[in-house]
Amino acid sequence: QVQVVQSGPEVKKPGASVKVSCKTSGYTFTSFGISWVRQAPGHGLEWMGWISPYNDNTNYSQKVQGRVTMTTDTSTTTIYMELRSLTSDDTAIYYCGRNRCFGGNCYVDSWGQGTLVTVSS
Amino acid sequence: DIQMTQSPSTLSASVGDRVTITCRASQFISNWLAWYQQTPGKAPRLLIYRTSILESGVPSRFSGSGSGTEFTLTISSLQAEDFATYYCQQYNTYFSFGQGTKLEIK
Repeated sequence: QVQVVQSGPEVKKPGASVKVSCKTSGYTFTSFGISWVRQAPGHGLEWMGWISPYNDNTNYSQKVQGRVTMTTDTSTTTIYMELRSLTSDDTAIYYCGRNRCFGGNCYVDSWGQGTLVTVSS
Repeated sequence: DIQMTQSPSTLSASVGDRVTITCRASQFISNWLAWYQQTPGKAPRLLIYRTSILESGVPSRFSGSGSGTEFTLTISSLQAEDFATYYCQQYNTYFSFGQGTKLEIK
């Protein structure tokens, strides 16, 4: 069965970077993209971007463009999301999820458990 | 960016009730709409995609409808495990989510 397992919680200082991993299994890694979505405490869901493990194409939201990099490691079927220049506004649970697509229209069908990133001095 | 607006923000209901949540898109999204359920401390769970198609394993009391810019999620007879927060999400152009509807016990 499809499994998506994320790395553990992180505590970072303002200005630092964080790199969250998303280990996938149970399906053909290069056949499905991965999205990243975050949720600030008590708030809703915010899409950050996605990556295609097939060709490493990425799309990032305007809000995090320039601070985020998503990468893949096909040998370990793992996806990484690095966010730089952290501020307290980046404190959130970060979720990765597998994209199911019809042409270019994709939604998430399997989610990781989430990774809490806390930014605090 | 496509803005998604859900109503109501909070909904109080009882077990056995029929409830409907509405989601409006700021522009035409055809039928590229999904619904997710999230319980506290958990990741979202896909319920419905392409407006009305039930994800495998989702109970048939959940249904979705709509097209264009107006969509609804209906739960025909609420069960205890349905009290959660529900999000709509458009995927016509990248992703954007509604702000969520918290379904609470009356």
